[in-house]
Amino acid sequence: DQQVKQNSPSLSVQEGRISILNCDYTNSMFDYFLWYKKYPAEGPTFLISISSIKDKNEDGRFTVFLNKSAKHLSLHIVPSQPGDSAVYFCAARTHNDMRFGAGTRLTVKP
Amino acid sequence: ETGVTQSPTHLIKTRGQQVTLRCSSQSGHNTVSWYQQALGQGPQFIFQYYREEENGRGNFPPRFSGLQFPNYSSELNVNALELDDSALYLCASSSGGGGAYNEQFFGPGTRLTVL
Repeated sequence: DQQVKQNSPSLSVQEGRISILNCDYTNSMFDYFLWYKKYPAEGPTFLISISSIKDKNEDGRFTVFLNKSAKHLSLHIVPSQPGDSAVYFCAARTHNDMRFGAGTRLTVKP
Repeated sequence: ETGVTQSPTHLIKTRGQQVTLRCSSQSGHNTVSWYQQALGQGPQFIFQYYREEENGRGNFPPRFSGLQFPNYSSELNVNALELDDSALYLCASSSGGGGAYNEQFFGPGTRLTVL
C-alpha cells in the first residue's frame, strides 16, 4: 500500500544547476508534506515542509511545490552543491499517520 | 542540547527471539515515533507515543509494542522475531504530540539482523 511514491531512485546533476526531486501521493487526507535528507549512517534530517493549503514554500536554496489536483509535490534545489548529495525522502502525514516514499539518491557532481 | 540517541547501534537475533530497542528523546520533546526502514525502502511508521500513551499506529502486528517513560524516553519491543523484521529501526522525537510530526528529529537508528 504505497501511498507516497518517489519514482526516481536516483538523480545526478552538475554543481550550480537545479535539482528537481518529485513525489506523488494517493491519499487525499494528507494535510502536510515534508522532505527529509539522509546521509549514510545518520537518521533523516528535516529539510522543508508545506501545508496542504499552500502551493509553495521557500527556504533559501530549497523550494517545495505542491499540486493538490495532481497529488504531486516537488523539491527544487537551486543552485545545487556537492554537499547536497544525499538520499531525499518525501513524506506525507494525516493526523495520526506518517508515510514516506522510498527515497531518491541525489548526486551533485563538482 | 542533547540529540536523539538510540541503543544498541547493531543487534543480531535469531528467529523467534524477542528484542528491545531503546530511544532517548531530544531535550524538551514529549513525543516519540518509531519507524522501520527496510533496505532500499523509506521509513515505515510503526507507532507514536505522546505523554506515555500510544497516539497513532501504522500497519504493524501486535507483536510490535512500545513504551514511553515519564522522562519521555521510549522502548520498542518486538516478539517472535521473523526474518522480515531485519531492518533499520529509527526513533524520532518532537514536541506537541496529538499527531504532531512536524520537525521530527531522528536518531541514527538501530540495525537489527534476524537470522
